[in-house]
Amino acid sequence: QVQLVQSRAEVKEPGASVKVSCKTSGYTFIGYYVHWVRQAPGQGLEWMGWINPNSGVTNFAPKFQGKVAMTRDKSVSTAYMELYGLQSDDTAVYFCARGRYNAYDYVDSFGQGTLVTVSS
Amino acid sequence: DIVLTQSPGTLSLSPGERATLSCWASQSLASNSLAWYQQKPGQAPRLLIYGASSRATGIPVRFSGSGSGTDFSLTISRLEPEDFAVYYCQQYGTSPQTFGPGTKVEIK
Repeated sequence: QVQLVQSRAEVKEPGASVKVSCKTSGYTFIGYYVHWVRQAPGQGLEWMGWINPNSGVTNFAPKFQGKVAMTRDKSVSTAYMELYGLQSDDTAVYFCARGRYNAYDYVDSFGQGTLVTVSS
Repeated sequence: DIVLTQSPGTLSLSPGERATLSCWASQSLASNSLAWYQQKPGQAPRLLIYGASSRATGIPVRFSGSGSGTDFSLTISRLEPEDFAVYYCQQYGTSPQTFGPGTKVEIK
């Protein structure tokens, strides 16, 4: 079955960076986009962007341009999201999610989420 | 960006009752590119509906979606205890994808 398993929780100081991994299994990694969505404590869902695991092409929400990088390692079917210049309002649970075959499509499976806490 | 508005913010109902959740888009959605997700506390979201009205794999028939253009709705025909959760609509046809603020369905 489709599985996305994310790295464990992180605590970072303001100004630092964090890299979250998302290891996939149960499907052909390069055939489906991987999206990243975040959720601040007690808040709603916020779409960050996607990566095409086959080509490596990325697309980010304007809010995250220059703030985020999304990469992948096809050899281990894993996607990564790195967030730079962390501030307190970046404290959130970050989810990876499997998209579909096309860029402008829904996501159908989520990872368990990774809590990133930004605190001095 | 396309803004999604959901109503009501909170819906208080009893098990067995019918729930109707609404989602409005600030502009018409291409190809009815709207999805609904359910999220329970401490869990990841779960896809319920895509393409405005298609049920995702394994989703019970009591969940149904409808609408087109800018007006969409999710109906739960008879609430089961496990249906009390937060529901989000999402448009995915235009970048950036956006989510609505959510509707909480709570036990009355």
